Amino acid sequence: KAGVTQTPRYLIKTRGQQVTLSCSPISGHRSVSWYQQTPGQGLQFLFEYFSETQRNKGNFPGRFSGRQFSNSRSEMNVSTLELGDSALYLCASSLSTSGGGELFFGEGSRLTVL
Amino acid sequence: GENVEQHPSTLSVQEGDSAVIKCTYSDSASNYFPWYKQELGKRPQLIIDIRSNVGEKKDQRIAVTLNKTAKHFSLHITETQPEDSAVYFCAASGSGGSNYKLTFGKGTLLTVNP
Repeated sequence: KAGVTQTPRYLIKTRGQQVTLSCSPISGHRSVSWYQQTPGQGLQFLFEYFSETQRNKGNFPGRFSGRQFSNSRSEMNVSTLELGDSALYLCASSLSTSGGGELFFGEGSRLTVL
Repeated sequence: GENVEQHPSTLSVQEGDSAVIKCTYSDSASNYFPWYKQELGKRPQLIIDIRSNVGEKKDQRIAVTLNKTAKHFSLHITETQPEDSAVYFCAASGSGGSNYKLTFGKGTLLTVNP
């Protein structure tokens, strides 16, 4: 069974640009979460989607948005990039429908903002 | 919202010794407490989890204890081996809408010296 796939793996952007990251969950997993990982802050929750609905959102500005498609694939978008947005963005899928289940992480998309 | 504190931030032990990592959480409604291991350059992976109706759980050399009254939980690794070297993250998730969100501690870098 294929794992969680994230694309692109690496990308470099400049301040003010926008970026879209993609995540394909494990087949059969309908819950997809996104996390931002930075050296100083660890893993910070961005949002979680289930059946195309956002069920929870973290404390990030409105520049961070996401969506989920009917095939459970998910995208997140960051607009008007800032230097502080440089991070590893991890997507995770879960078989659990009610929360509190194992998260299977992708390898991440490493974003560098210059 | 939930806040998870993790200590220590770094831990160095000799091979064969035990290692203990401690976490505290703030939301008394939290009911699911997983631990993830992230090796250098790899994705986080679940190593053990515990739910609020259980006080202790073991899996070979790894154990987790939960004290709901004090709102803290700990990871215990016995007979440490060099391959245990990694960053360990504790996390907590709550009930209702918070059930779909994991709040992570900032991580503990464990180094096992041969």
